[in-house]
Amino acid sequence: DAGVIQSPRHEVTEMGQEVTLRCKPISGHDYLFWYRQTMMRGLELLIYFNNNVPIDDSGMPEDRFSAKMPNASFSTLKIQPSEPRDSAVYFCASGSGTRGNGYTFGSGTRLTVV
Amino acid sequence: SQQGEEDPQALSIQEGENATMNCSYKTSINNLQWYRQNSGRGLVHLILIRSNEREKHSGRLRVTLDTSKKSSSLLITASRAADTASYFCATETGGFKTIFGAGTRLFVKA
Repeated sequence: DAGVIQSPRHEVTEMGQEVTLRCKPISGHDYLFWYRQTMMRGLELLIYFNNNVPIDDSGMPEDRFSAKMPNASFSTLKIQPSEPRDSAVYFCASGSGTRGNGYTFGSGTRLTVV
Repeated sequence: SQQGEEDPQALSIQEGENATMNCSYKTSINNLQWYRQNSGRGLVHLILIRSNEREKHSGRLRVTLDTSKKSSSLLITASRAADTASYFCATETGGFKTIFGAGTRLFVKA
């Protein structure tokens, strides 16, 4: 099992550009979460999916952020246009509906918007 | 918004000592989880305690949960330098929504 795979690991982009972060959850997991981590705000839940359907996107900061899960093995988080304050580490995590095992996190994407 | 608040924010101890971290939360939960994060890495799930449980053990970890006080504690016994990391509590509320606290930074001196 390769775990939760995120790409890219690092992304540096200029303000105003579109950024797409990718996540491949663990096969068989039916929940997928996107979190953002910064020193100032800690770990923030942005959105989560169940069986590819968005359940709660109340943490998405602005309309510039969007997330999709077209199938059970792939999800994207898109920022358009990006701003310097979006700089953070973005984590994807997946888990199963059986409560008891917690969630598995990817290694994260470190985004820097200059 | 953060549901859980960890205490202390930072903790420095000697190898071999026990480390205790506390977490308080605001609303009813289905379960509470503890995670570890090494610098620059993703979070690793340590242990989960359900709302109807009061205590749980896993190796050198001991977790307690007091739902009447809306608080939990994580005890790491006989700490090692390798335990140096940030520790987060996470509360799962309705619909599997899982919110993390601000974390406790633990430093174990060899």
